[in-house]
Amino acid sequence: AQSVTQPDIHITVSEGASLELRCNYSYGATPYLFWYVQSPGQGLQLLLKYFSGDTLVQGIKGFEAEFKRSQSSFNLRKPSVHWSDAAEYFCAAYSGTYKYIFGTGTRLKVLA
Amino acid sequence: EAQVTQNPRYLITVTGKKLTVTCSQNMNHEYMSWYRQDPGLGLRQIYYSMNVEVTDKGDVPEGYKVSRKEKRNFPLILESPSPNQTSLYFCASSQQGNYGYTFGSGTRLTVV
Repeated sequence: AQSVTQPDIHITVSEGASLELRCNYSYGATPYLFWYVQSPGQGLQLLLKYFSGDTLVQGIKGFEAEFKRSQSSFNLRKPSVHWSDAAEYFCAAYSGTYKYIFGTGTRLKVLA
Repeated sequence: EAQVTQNPRYLITVTGKKLTVTCSQNMNHEYMSWYRQDPGLGLRQIYYSMNVEVTDKGDVPEGYKVSRKEKRNFPLILESPSPNQTSLYFCASSQQGNYGYTFGSGTRLTVV
């Protein structure tokens, strides 16, 4: 079955430290992949997306993600985390059949 | 401003009392979708619409109805709400399914 897995429910990092959030997908073919961020009390905002081509994609707010076909992964990274990055992050996949599958989310806490 | 507008933001209702959550987008998007978000379960798709008068079930459609009479509007109808429909609901739209969503701010529904 198609699935998106985010292994980490919670992650805590210190402000200024680097960040990597993990996402693994299970699909028959390479899906379109997305990362969204949800700040408290808000809807989800699209950070970045991967369709094809360059496996390192840049997004908004200084985030980037790398697609690795061999590992079926699409991990989100940021070199230096800011306190305002504290939020919940969702990985999602779109298979081309008008359906998205979302991961269960990773909640990021940033220590001052 | 390009946006998806949901109303109401908060709603407390009683079991069995019909309700409608409205969703409107001003981006001329063809694709619209409803999700519910529950702790530990991430986002689950309820219904989606590929265009006017074209809708289909998502993963958790039971107890919900939708309609798409106009391109901009995609209301979610709960004919007889039950406590297990207490959740955070999001409407989202996209130009095409693989472009990534624009989300509304959410509707927190409590059924007592």
